[in-house]
Amino acid sequence: EDQVTQSPEALRLQEGESSSLNCSYTVSGLRGLFWYRQDPGKGPEFLFTLYSAGEEKEKERLKATLTKKESFLHITAPKPEDSATYLCAVQAPFRDNYGQNFVFGPGTRLSVLP
Amino acid sequence: DTGVSQDPRHKITKRGQNVTFRCDPISEHNRLYWYRQTLGQGPEFLTYFQNEAQLEKSRLLSDRFSAERPKGSFSTLEIQRTEQGDSAMYLCASSPNRGRNDEQFFGPGTRLTVL
Repeated sequence: EDQVTQSPEALRLQEGESSSLNCSYTVSGLRGLFWYRQDPGKGPEFLFTLYSAGEEKEKERLKATLTKKESFLHITAPKPEDSATYLCAVQAPFRDNYGQNFVFGPGTRLSVLP
Repeated sequence: DTGVSQDPRHKITKRGQNVTFRCDPISEHNRLYWYRQTLGQGPEFLTYFQNEAQLEKSRLLSDRFSAERPKGSFSTLEIQRTEQGDSAMYLCASSPNRGRNDEQFFGPGTRLTVL
């Protein structure tokens, strides 16, 4: 069964204090790994897609990396506006050329204090 | 606004009642997904449409849940005989069919409270 776990469950950082969030996954044939940001009471907002081990993507203070078993979201010099829940999801392989399934992790709640 | 929209944003109902939610995807997106999210958890996949065809339905989805996407445009999610355990945020997402580019764009969600 496809599974995604994220750690830590919650993280509190001081402004400017860099850190990393972890996403570990078990899936038979990864088709894609996705990172989303979710603010309270809102839908998730797409950040990155990673497709193969060794791939890296960057956006402002965020950098996502991927290995065969896990992904990291590195946050460099965070600001209070980076406070949110960060969700990781994996996409299962196509079945019968049409099937799709996205499995989300529980998220990491990030708080950045000024 | 060209994003995904959902209606209503909030719904309070009594146990046993039926409820229906609507999702309008981004116009050029032919893939549409429904998810359920409870507090402190990530979204849980419910069902998936490609155009008007419902191609996937979670094995965890009760037969009280049904979804439609007539003409491949907007979609509706109906829950019959609601139970208190159905209380959650119901999220809709859409994505374009551009090969590997499968990122999903989420709507703001409909928060359901079953009393």
